[in-house]
Amino acid sequence: DAKTTQPPSMDCAEGRAANLPCNHSTISGNEYVYWYRQIHSQGPQYIIHGLKNNETNEMASLIITEDRKSSTLILPHATLRDTAVYYCIVRSSNTGNQFYFGTGTSLTVIP
Amino acid sequence: GAVVSQHPSRVICKSGTSVKIECRSLDFQATTMFWYRQFPKQSLMLMATSNEGSKATYEQGVEKDKFLINHASLTLSTLTVTSAHPEDSSFYICSASHSGDRSYGYTFGSGTRLTVV
Repeated sequence: DAKTTQPPSMDCAEGRAANLPCNHSTISGNEYVYWYRQIHSQGPQYIIHGLKNNETNEMASLIITEDRKSSTLILPHATLRDTAVYYCIVRSSNTGNQFYFGTGTSLTVIP
Repeated sequence: GAVVSQHPSRVICKSGTSVKIECRSLDFQATTMFWYRQFPKQSLMLMATSNEGSKATYEQGVEKDKFLINHASLTLSTLTVTSAHPEDSSFYICSASHSGDRSYGYTFGSGTRLTVV
């Protein structure tokens, strides 16, 4: 039921910006885009979410295209602790509002 | 911020026994909680949606008689793995919503590593 597509893996140099893309071409008008990350053997951690406007918080920025069919998560200055699997999730619009996880992107920050 | 506590973090049990995993929302009420299972090097798979005061809704292919879910209060949901077998060994994670506003995301617990021997 995952409705997102992400590259399976990416590398990023420490201190540089990490740009993680996500395709969600079937998103509907009232569905939010959420980003979580999971460090090995821990529960997923919330990063950011948005509907149609770009968003920024202390962790990251979220850029959503005008047609809302894709988005990019930006970690402005990646550190080694940002090495994790990043999941882009479109919240189900049915009554249960479940999160269905796709395969995510395994980001490795290289010293 | 919203915190979800999961207990135990690790459990080893013998084949054929049952194991209960607790998921608590510590500083908020959660009418809905979710249970996931994650096998090594795989993504999280939604098992069921737990609703306070009513029966859980299970995803297709998940045996409701094997994975018993009880959500008796607004801060506690439990998952019981009955008659556990080695193939049930996995990482189990719960999550809960901390707001009635559907724009909010969910907070996840730290997970329970179940090993059936």
